[in-house]
Amino acid sequence: AQSVTQLDSQVPVFEEAPVELRCNYSSSVSVYLFWYVQYPNQGLQLLLKYLSGSTLVKGINGFEAEFNKSQTSFHLRKPSVHISDTAEYFCAVSAKNTGNQFYFGTGTSLTVIP
Amino acid sequence: DAGVIQSPRHEVTEMGQEVTLRCKPISGHNSLFWYRQTMMRGLELLIYFNNNVPIDDSGMPEDRFSAKMPNASFSTLKIQPSEPRDSAVYFCASRHPGRTDTQYFGPGTRLTVL
Repeated sequence: AQSVTQLDSQVPVFEEAPVELRCNYSSSVSVYLFWYVQYPNQGLQLLLKYLSGSTLVKGINGFEAEFNKSQTSFHLRKPSVHISDTAEYFCAVSAKNTGNQFYFGTGTSLTVIP
Repeated sequence: DAGVIQSPRHEVTEMGQEVTLRCKPISGHNSLFWYRQTMMRGLELLIYFNNNVPIDDSGMPEDRFSAKMPNASFSTLKIQPSEPRDSAVYFCASRHPGRTDTQYFGPGTRLTVL
């Protein structure tokens, strides 16, 4: 089975500052990796995903993430955050051979301070 | 295109009552997933269907929970009888047969059992 650890439950950051949300995973098989964002009272929206190839993945809203196999990490970054980025962010993993079972982290609440 | 549709968006009921949550997946998607989100346990997969057939229901918490998918465009998650500890946000997600890597989430149903 796979598991995901999001090391920070809450991250406050000032507007226009850079941010990094950390995600580590555990798996005995090759995996796909995902970041989802959840705005208040809404469902989960896919930000970006790593399937294969380049380890640096770019997503929507200026976010990017880097897959590091040796450190089993998939940290999410943005060079300059906006107020509208305030939301809950979830890292998820699924096994490449099945792709059915998604394992989610517990989420990181990003608060952008004006 | 319409996304995943869930109804109702909010449900408040009393302990012991039957609750039925509904989901309409994206047209053309052949996999459907039910998740539960709570503060304590985060996002958990309850059950998923492939081509209307339940594949893995190991996440269903107990016999009070049941899910059906009578056709490709409709699924229900039923709780009978409901208990206060069932209070959570329930998400439905669907997946295209040609894209096994990505799930698309609905807006969720917020269930409160008094």
